[in-house]
Amino acid sequence: DVKVTQSSRYLVKRTGEKVFLECVQDMDHENMFWYRQDPGLGLRLIYFSYDVKMKEKGDIPEGYSVSREKKERFSLILESASTNQTSMYLCASSLGTGGTDTQYFGPGTRLTVL
Amino acid sequence: AQSVAQPEDQVNVAEGNPLTVKCTYSVSGNPYLFWYVQYPNRGLQFLLKYITGDNLVKGSYGFEAEFNKSQTSFHLKKPSALVSDSALYFCAVRLYILTGGGNKLTFGTGTQLKVEL
Repeated sequence: DVKVTQSSRYLVKRTGEKVFLECVQDMDHENMFWYRQDPGLGLRLIYFSYDVKMKEKGDIPEGYSVSREKKERFSLILESASTNQTSMYLCASSLGTGGTDTQYFGPGTRLTVL
Repeated sequence: AQSVAQPEDQVNVAEGNPLTVKCTYSVSGNPYLFWYVQYPNRGLQFLLKYITGDNLVKGSYGFEAEFNKSQTSFHLKKPSALVSDSALYFCAVRLYILTGGGNKLTFGTGTQLKVEL
């Protein structure tokens, strides 16, 4: 079974702090994704990566950056956290063979910015 | 642009009755369609997907979905609901783009299913 793990289930940070969310997958997947989930808005794509050191902006990249130095690890960085970044953050990965790929999700990190 | 609509925020069903969770999509081209389920405080779990071929797709936990091209719909169904099916359900669509890393999923806003005894 594919396993996608996220470093924290719950995180509380203060406004202006730099925040790192880590995601690791153990199935040698090419693609990795970061989403945020908000009630009534569903999941929105922040960034994705289709190869090591490669990244592309999703639908809502403002205020975020990402890093993928190793194939199995994809980090989401909030350079200066703000209260409107309080949300559930979900990481996903997929094999990378084409449009029929299934994305597999981690358990999520619920981030609160005070 | 691609989009997905889940017209119902919540669906209530009695245990043992059939359930339907609705999804309609808009995409220019052939869609790839997915259903995911999210239990409380958990990540999303894959249920099923439509790529091509038979319009009726069977998935995990007894769920199935029917692709209807003329109505641009992909409704999730189960013949007999269980209380344990209560969860948040998401429909998603992808249009395969050959250039760059364009295999992006667009998700609906989710439908909360509540199955009562």
